[in-house]
Amino acid sequence: GDSVTQMEGPVTLSEEAFLTINCTYTATGYPSLFWYVQYPGEGLQLLLKATKADDKGSNKGFEATYRKETTSFHLEKGSVQVSDSAVYFCALYSGGGADGLTFGKGTHLIIQP
Amino acid sequence: GAGVSQSPSNKVTEKGKDVELRCDPISGHTALYWYRQSLGQGLEFLIYFQGNSAPDKSGLPSDRFSAERTGGSVSTLTIQRTQQEDSAVYLCASSLSKGSAGELFFGEGSRLTVL
Repeated sequence: GDSVTQMEGPVTLSEEAFLTINCTYTATGYPSLFWYVQYPGEGLQLLLKATKADDKGSNKGFEATYRKETTSFHLEKGSVQVSDSAVYFCALYSGGGADGLTFGKGTHLIIQP
Repeated sequence: GAGVSQSPSNKVTEKGKDVELRCDPISGHTALYWYRQSLGQGLEFLIYFQGNSAPDKSGLPSDRFSAERTGGSVSTLTIQRTQQEDSAVYLCASSLSKGSAGELFFGEGSRLTVL
């Protein structure tokens, strides 16, 4: 079945550091890939997405590129801020199954001033 | 409403009691989902509603869990005879349709604590 693996947290960085959160997936066919973010006390919200190989999703300074050859969708940001502290979930949508969505376990990111 | 609304935001109950959690999706969204978020466990799919079709209950962990969606809008998740392992945040999400391909709008969740 489909699965998403993302790096364990918490990840702790200093403000203005470069961020990478790794995400790899296993799926049949050609899924769409997503990053969701959950800020403290809030629900998940869509951060960015990519629907086909080599697509790059971007939003709020974050980027992720759909790499079919490595089945990866790593999240990057060049200079993080304290306000980026949150839990980040990688997810894929394959259209199969009840909801079609498979989420990773989430990575807690902590940015220190 | 502007977003997905869930209530209560926090619920503390005693083991063995029944609880009801409510979700009001975004107006016009035909698909509604319930997930459970436990510490360190990510999101666990529970149940999915699409319009007036019969829901897919394949993710419900036991027969103590049930959900309904009235009039294709508001949904209620009911947990009977709660156990301590039911303690978690219950998230509701909606989307225009299943064909929205993974773009879900989430509520803030209902945090359930079973003593």
